[in-house]
Amino acid sequence: GESVGLHLPTLSVQEGDNSIINCAYSNSASDYFIWYKQESGKGPQFIIDIRSNMDKRQGQRVTVLLNKTVKHLSLQIAATQPGDSAVYFCAENLLNNAGNMLTFGGGTRLMVKP
Amino acid sequence: ETGVTQTPRHLVMGMTNKKSLKCEQHLGHNAMYWYKQSAKKPLELMFVYNFKEQTENNSVPSRFSPECPNSSHLFLHLHTLQPEDSALYLCASSQGQGNQPQHFGDGTRLSIL
Repeated sequence: GESVGLHLPTLSVQEGDNSIINCAYSNSASDYFIWYKQESGKGPQFIIDIRSNMDKRQGQRVTVLLNKTVKHLSLQIAATQPGDSAVYFCAENLLNNAGNMLTFGGGTRLMVKP
Repeated sequence: ETGVTQTPRHLVMGMTNKKSLKCEQHLGHNAMYWYKQSAKKPLELMFVYNFKEQTENNSVPSRFSPECPNSSHLFLHLHTLQPEDSALYLCASSQGQGNQPQHFGDGTRLSIL
């Protein structure tokens, strides 16, 4: 079946605009989702998470939307800044006895133009 | 500072060498993970340790050997690697069972000559 993501598309936005990064996930039984940001030379950094019993969660300048009907996740970044330039990964989690088994998408590169 | 420290940051080794990657987490977590990140592929889970016990081995070749002496430290022993093993190796930790985020280190960039 399809995996989460797989492609590495690029999203280019103007500084100050809002950004929307999309992700399709594969397993309808997944119950927890995370967005990560990875800057060059660093590991993935946790941004925001959402559980499957919610459809929206807001953080500081970020909002995650979950549509379980179509297995779609999105990350909205308000007033995008140059420091937001990075690769963004979504991950889905299927909890089992082994612990948190995250499956990652291929990522989206966000480029912010000054 | 992510709370997960990986050493070395860069490693170049020949195919016949033996080396080890080290990960230490200062977050009080119970679960630790090894991932491989290579170009054009999603992050691949390699190993999972929960309370020092290996709970998952994601079909990883035996030339990669993990070790978890306690819940704060994780090693990845490398032996007779192949050029296709060149990648960024990432360590992560989480608060064990339950839906909790994994926190990543900055990785070891491994190059096999």
